[in-house]
Amino acid sequence: AQTVTQSQPEMSVQEAETVTLSCTYDTSENNYYLFWYKQPPSRQMILVIRQEAYKQQNATENRFSVNFQKAAKSFSLKISDSQLGDTAMYFCAFGATNKLIFGTGTLLAVQP
Amino acid sequence: DAGITQSPRHKVTETGTPVTLRCHQTENHRYMYWYRQDPGHGLRLIHYSYGVKDTDKGEVSDGYSVSRSKTEDFLLTLESATSSQTSVYFCAISVREGARETQYFGPGTRLLVL
Repeated sequence: AQTVTQSQPEMSVQEAETVTLSCTYDTSENNYYLFWYKQPPSRQMILVIRQEAYKQQNATENRFSVNFQKAAKSFSLKISDSQLGDTAMYFCAFGATNKLIFGTGTLLAVQP
Repeated sequence: DAGITQSPRHKVTETGTPVTLRCHQTENHRYMYWYRQDPGHGLRLIHYSYGVKDTDKGEVSDGYSVSRSKTEDFLLTLESATSSQTSVYFCAISVREGARETQYFGPGTRLLVL
């Protein structure tokens, strides 16, 4: 069975600085996807970024980038130039066979 | 906006009563999902559907049933609600973009069972 672990329940960062959220996973699958979702206080689940396991190049979406280490089963999210609107719960998710397994989330607070 | 709506958005009910939550999509995607979100657990899969009348169980399916009689609607039923089913419920659809599948979520339904 797949598992996803987010070991940082809460984090804080100053506005305009960079922060990295950690995620590790365990699987025996070879073909899978990894995702980061953001959940702001509105509770809407918003896709931030995704990574295909077969791609060596790390995904990037504007200020958001990932560090995907397949052998280590690690998938961290880096947020550059943090903004107050980045304050949210962030969930790492593992996807295979049309299903997602979520981590327990990291609550990120961006301080002015 | 992935065209997903959930109804109701909020519901308060009593223990032992039946409850049905509805998820509606406008884009005819094949896969639909129901998750629950609880503090300390992230999102956990309850049931999912891979087509009309085709459903399967997820990680936390006990006490829940689902139905999908039309492509656009996926219903989640709590036959006899219990306080442990107080939660936020999210519906999701899986969107295929080329070779990639990505899940997009509805706005959620907050359910309180007294």
